[in-house]
Amino acid sequence: AQSVAQPEDQVNVAEGNPLTVKCTYSVSGNPYLFWYVQYPNRGLQFLLKYITGDNLVKGSYGFEAEFNKSQTSFHLKKPSALVSDSALYFCAVRDRGGSGNTGKLIFGQGTTLQVKP
Amino acid sequence: GAGVSQSPRYKVAKRGQDVALRCDPISGHVSLFWYQQALGQGPEFLTYFQNEAQLDKSGLPSDRFFAERPEGSVSTLKIQRTQQEDSAVYLCASSLVTDQETQYFGPGTRLLVL
Repeated sequence: AQSVAQPEDQVNVAEGNPLTVKCTYSVSGNPYLFWYVQYPNRGLQFLLKYITGDNLVKGSYGFEAEFNKSQTSFHLKKPSALVSDSALYFCAVRDRGGSGNTGKLIFGQGTTLQVKP
Repeated sequence: GAGVSQSPRYKVAKRGQDVALRCDPISGHVSLFWYQQALGQGPEFLTYFQNEAQLDKSGLPSDRFFAERPEGSVSTLKIQRTQQEDSAVYLCASSLVTDQETQYFGPGTRLLVL
């Protein structure tokens, strides 16, 4: 079965410093991996995805993620954090089991990113 | 353009009541998903529609949960005889069938069952 794990409940970083939010995955076959962000009282917003190709994926708001097959990781990164980046971040994998082609996503538990001024 | 909208945004129900949650997807989005997000957890898949066809309902937790999308646009998630464990945020998402991985989420309906 497909799954993702986010080992950190919370990440704290000072504004202007680089940030990393960790995600590891377990899938059979080639993974389709995603990052979504959730701001308070708002729905999840798509940040970026890895399907195939370049291991470094660039997404919205200056975020990027690096796909590492040997470490089964897909960490979210940003070179310089902003206070406005403070939110709840979810890693997800497309579920390719069962009926296979419905596009349903399996989400991690989420990591709260706190950026302090 | 308009995003995915959901109503009501908040719902308080007494245990045993039936509730109906509505989702208006982005116009032209063929695919529609429902997810359940318990407090402090990531969203969990409930069901999937392609147009009016419910192609996957493997995530519905019990036969008290029922979803429909009769005209291939608006969808309703119905929960009968609500239980306290049904308390959660119910998220709706829509996407193009050609790009189902990029899902656009609504703000959710927060259901509290007392």
